[in-house]
Amino acid sequence: GENVEQHPSTLSVQEGDSAVIKCTYSDSASNYFPWYKQELGKRPQLIIDIRSNVGEKKDQRIAVTLNKTAKHFSLHITETQPEDSAVYFCAASKGDSNYQLIWGAGTKLIIKP
Amino acid sequence: DTEVTQTPKHLVMGMTNKKSLKCEQHMGHRAMYWYKQKAKKPPELMFVYSYEKLSINESVPSRFSPECPNSSLLNLHLHALQPEDSALYLCASSQDRHSGGAADTQYFGPGTRLTVL
Repeated sequence: GENVEQHPSTLSVQEGDSAVIKCTYSDSASNYFPWYKQELGKRPQLIIDIRSNVGEKKDQRIAVTLNKTAKHFSLHITETQPEDSAVYFCAASKGDSNYQLIWGAGTKLIIKP
Repeated sequence: DTEVTQTPKHLVMGMTNKKSLKCEQHMGHRAMYWYKQKAKKPPELMFVYSYEKLSINESVPSRFSPECPNSSLLNLHLHALQPEDSALYLCASSQDRHSGGAADTQYFGPGTRLTVL
């Protein structure tokens, strides 16, 4: 079946350094790729998303890149801050579904002061 | 208003109880979702309503019964739950533009932390 692999499961970086989280998807029909940040006990919050007709998207310190040929997409966070500490989930739309997402297992990002 | 709200925040219930979770959004979204999330796992889709009609049921046990009274409200009725149903229950909504195979962004509520004793 369709799946999304996310790596690493835990990432520890020094404050001010960059963090990169990678996801690989299997469904070639996937066309929407959101990234959610979830702090402990809080809701998943969309931080950035990208559609298959775009290769890169940036919003201040956060960027996402998509390689459709290789079926992988990555989240890049620059100049990390303590408030970036959270679990990050990637997801890919399930085929041509308007509603269903296939989720990665999550990455726990730890920012060391 | 760009928020999805959920009540209650916490719920403790016995296996013989009947309770309901409530979700509300005022963003004009026409798709609403229920997800279940266990600790350290991604959200798991349970139900999707599109234009107040049940569109997707991900083979959820009948002890969970969804209801969409109108385009802004979504309920999840709970009956005869098991301890393994303890989890964070998240509601979400999206625009549902029916754009033919292009998913809309989903916005999540804060969730209800459910404990089944």
